[in-house]
Amino acid sequence: AQTVTQSQPEMSVQEAETVTLSCTYDTSESDYYLFWYKQPPSRQMILVIRQEAYKQQNATENRFSVNFQKAAKSFSLKISDSQLGDAAMYFCAYRSNFGNEKLTFGTGTRLTIIP
Amino acid sequence: DTGVSQDPRHKITKRGQNVTFRCDPISEHNRLYWYRQTLGQGPEFLTYFQNEAQLEKSRLLSDRFSAERPKGSFSTLEIQRTEQGDSAMYLCASSLISPRGEEQYFGPGTRLTVT
Repeated sequence: AQTVTQSQPEMSVQEAETVTLSCTYDTSESDYYLFWYKQPPSRQMILVIRQEAYKQQNATENRFSVNFQKAAKSFSLKISDSQLGDAAMYFCAYRSNFGNEKLTFGTGTRLTIIP
Repeated sequence: DTGVSQDPRHKITKRGQNVTFRCDPISEHNRLYWYRQTLGQGPEFLTYFQNEAQLEKSRLLSDRFSAERPKGSFSTLEIQRTEQGDSAMYLCASSLISPRGEEQYFGPGTRLTVT
């Protein structure tokens, strides 16, 4: 079974600075997707960024980028120019490309933005 | 496209009572997932449907839980004889199968409190 580990329960960053959230995962599969989801307080979870395992190039979405190290099974999220609206729980998630394609989530990192 | 909706948003019930939650997915989405999220944890997969067929159930889904998706549209999740351990946020997500892989869109969740 796949597992996802987020070792930082809480992180904080000054507004406009850069922060990196860590995620490691364990799998024996070679074809899968990795995701970062954002869950603002009392609001629904939304997708931030997605990485396909067979693509070597790291995904980027505006101020959000990932550092995907397949051999190390590491998938960190970098948020540049942090904004107050970035404050949320961030979940790393794994999805196999076989079977039911359910998401397996980590325990999350609570990100606080300091004005 | 109004997104995934869930009803009710909050439910307080007494131990031993039955509760039913509803999820309305994005209209053209053919996959629907249920997850459970307890405090301080990431969501955990419960079950999923492809159209009206329930294709997989997690071992977390005891025999007190049942889910349906009649006609492949909305879905209901029923918990019979609720226990305090059932207190959690129940999340629904929907997706559309595509060659590029699917993105799961989450609803706002139903927060269940069992007293």
